[in-house]
Amino acid sequence: DVKVTQSSRYLVKRTGEKVFLECVQDMDHENMFWYRQDPGLGLRLIYFSYDVKMKEKGDIPEGYSVSREKKERFSLILESASTNQTSMYLCASSWGGPQETQYFGPGTRLLVL
Amino acid sequence: AQSVTQPDIHITVSEGASLELRCNYSYGATPYLFWYVQSPGQGLQLLLKYFSGDTLVQGIKGFEAEFKRSQSSFNLRKPSVHWSDAAEYFCAVGPFTGGGNKLTFGTGTQLKVEL
Repeated sequence: DVKVTQSSRYLVKRTGEKVFLECVQDMDHENMFWYRQDPGLGLRLIYFSYDVKMKEKGDIPEGYSVSREKKERFSLILESASTNQTSMYLCASSWGGPQETQYFGPGTRLLVL
Repeated sequence: AQSVTQPDIHITVSEGASLELRCNYSYGATPYLFWYVQSPGQGLQLLLKYFSGDTLVQGIKGFEAEFKRSQSSFNLRKPSVHWSDAAEYFCAVGPFTGGGNKLTFGTGTQLKVEL
């Protein structure tokens, strides 16, 4: 089975802190994704990566950055956390190609105080 | 720009009743369509997908969906709902213009099952 793990299930941070969310997949997938999930808004793509050191902006990249130094690991960085970044963050990975399934991690629920 | 509409935010059905969750999409070419389910406290899991061939697709857990190009719809159905089907369901369409497999997700439908 494909396994996508996220470093924390719950996280509480202060406004202005730098926050790192880590995601690791064990299937050698080319593509990795970071989504934000908010009630009534569904999933919105923050960033995705189609190869090591490659990244593309999604729909809502403002206030976020990403890093992919190794194929299996994709990090989401909140440079200076703000209260409006309180949300559920979901990581996913997939093979390349538009028909491929995305496999999701369990999510990190982030609260910024 | 592509988009996905799930017009029902919440749906309640009795256990054993049939279910249909609606999904309408806007896309300029032949779409790739997906249904995912999110159980409480968990990530999303693929139920089924369509990208070509038979327009009626079968998925896991007894779910099926039908692609209707003329109606730009991809509705999810199950003939008899089980209490364990209570979850949030997301329809998604892709790919983004420019390739890859980025998806646009709908806002989700929360399913409640009454015993």
